[in-house]
Amino acid sequence: GEDVEQSLFLSVREGDSSVINCTYTDSSSTYLYWYKQEPGAGLQLLTYIFSNMDMKQDQRLTVLLNKKDKHLSLRIADTQTGDSAIYFCAETSPRSSNTGKLIFGQGTTLQVKP
Amino acid sequence: NAGVTQTPKFQVLKTGQSMTLQCAQDMNHEYMSWYRQDPGMGLRLIHYSVGAGITDQGEVPNGYNVSRSTTEDFPLRLLSAAPSQTSVYFCASRRNPGANEAFFGQGTRLTVV
Repeated sequence: GEDVEQSLFLSVREGDSSVINCTYTDSSSTYLYWYKQEPGAGLQLLTYIFSNMDMKQDQRLTVLLNKKDKHLSLRIADTQTGDSAIYFCAETSPRSSNTGKLIFGQGTTLQVKP
Repeated sequence: NAGVTQTPKFQVLKTGQSMTLQCAQDMNHEYMSWYRQDPGMGLRLIHYSVGAGITDQGEVPNGYNVSRSTTEDFPLRLLSAAPSQTSVYFCASRRNPGANEAFFGQGTRLTVV
């Protein structure tokens, strides 16, 4: 089946690195995404990784994909208070290519303490 | 530079009332969808549309109707609101179902009492 799991809460100090983890069950997943939701706002696509990649870096963001363990992580370097938000992991697969359905995790609330 | 616009932002309904959540996009996207967000459950797909005149059910369609008479608009109708439909509703659009980036509206927070 299709399932995406995340831990619900992470607290870090400003300036530290944050690592948000996600596991998924669908071995045919093609794209994996990280979305950010700030309070009272919609979801903003932060980054995505294709399933044949191991790593993707974009400024302070590093995405690591371990296909064998079906594990995805998002590392935020030098975390700032403006990074406080809910972070959603999501995936799509060939099974959902016609429906366009994104399978979302529960979301991880990142709290950044000054 | 509007993107995806949802109205209203907040709504309180009594059980049994009906209402329509509006969604409009100005990017000429073929694909539009509605999700609901509940605490600890992520987002779940309610209905989706791959083009004007074409709609289909997602994983939690019961109690909701949709239509797609134009490319721009994709309203979500609650026929007879129930407390279980208290949630935050998000409309999203993509160029096509397989496109990488989905654009989300700001959400509608609905409370059914």
